Formats: sequence, structure tokens, C-alpha cells
Amino acid sequence: DTAVSQTPKYLVTQMGNDKSIKCEQNLGHDTMYWYKQDSKKFLKIMFSYNNKELIINETVPNRFSPKSPDKAHLNLHINSLELGDSAVYFCASSAGTGVRQPQHFGDGTRLSIL
Amino acid sequence: EDQVTQSPEALRLQEGESSSLNCSYTVSGLRGLFWYRQDPGKGPEFLFTLYSAGEEKEKERLKATLTKKESFLHITAPKPEDSATYLCAVQAGYNTDKLIFGTGTRLQVFP
Repeated sequence: DTAVSQTPKYLVTQMGNDKSIKCEQNLGHDTMYWYKQDSKKFLKIMFSYNNKELIINETVPNRFSPKSPDKAHLNLHINSLELGDSAVYFCASSAGTGVRQPQHFGDGTRLSIL
Repeated sequence: EDQVTQSPEALRLQEGESSSLNCSYTVSGLRGLFWYRQDPGKGPEFLFTLYSAGEEKEKERLKATLTKKESFLHITAPKPEDSATYLCAVQAGYNTDKLIFGTGTRLQVFP
């Protein structure tokens, strides 16, 4: 059983479009995250939700809007896509906030903007 | 500013040739240091958490150690299946579980 699953795995779209990425975890975790991995493989946090409440919001353009309908899901909606948004987006989850709770990652969504 | 630097950027080893990967960090108030393994096209897979200087953790051919300024991931007698990118991340400060990642070491082990 996949612990953290993301859909779609690949997303190719035109500049200016709006798209969504979905994430679901079946680990029973309370906290979920979105990370962006750029072409140099640098992984950087974007958002974090704990029990459906936003707790981390890094300096991300407001074209990116996360939504958590319940503890097991955290979706990412991106408006007016730009070339610089091309990257791999990873969803992760952990049992709670705190250093003793490692984060577990999905396999990523590769977003390519034409 | 909190920073994590990994070296080398890439490492090629012969099967059985032991080596170490380095992760140096500059953070205020380290709460934990994490090692992850990432295979191509996959997400990072959790390996270890280290909490304080002097701590060591082992898993099969991997051993992670921590000092006040850096962490090492020692790979003993590696096999081709150990080929992957190894990522180091730190959690620093209070009231946050944000992970700050290094850019990784790409390890290739040849038979």
C-alpha cells in the first residue's frame, strides 16, 4: 500500500493555465507538507498543514494555494502558471510537529510548463 | 541564515570500497538532523534522525554520526543497490518542523 500518493505523476501544460496536484496519505498522520525540488535537486518547503490548519507558509507566490479538506489530504492549486514553476513537487506527511516525527514523502509530481 | 552544505556533490565507488559523505550545517538551535535516500523518479526515503552531538545510528551498510558542526554518513562495503542521492536535512529553531535540505550527494557504486 502506498503511504503518501500524489496525482498526477506528470503534468505538462501551457503558461498561464491553472492546475491542481492532489496528495493523500494513509498513514494516519496529522501533518502534511508541500515541497518544491528545482532542476538542481534542491528541495525547499512551501507549506505545512497540521490538522487542516496552515502552520508554515514560506515565501511562496500567492498563485500557489494549498487546500486541506481533511487530515489525509492536502492539495495544491496553482494559478497562472509561469515557466519558473517547472519543478518536481513533493507531498510529505508526519505523525505530528516536532523533531521526533520524520517526514515521509510521496514520489512527486513533475510539472513542466511549455 | 540557516544553511546545509553537502559534499562531495558526486561520488563514484567500486563495490566494496568504503567511504563517507559529509553534511555540514550552520543553524541556530539544532533540534534534529535527518538523512534521506532518494532514487531517480522517487521521493526521499527516510533513513535516520540524529538529535545531539556524539550520537550514532546504523542501518545495514550505513552509519550516521553527528558532531556540533557536521554529520557523516559512512558507507561500508557498498553494493550497486546503494546507488542513490543521499540528502541531509536539519530542523532548527522552535515552534517549527520545517526541514532545511542540502543539495545532496549523488552516489554511484559500480560492480
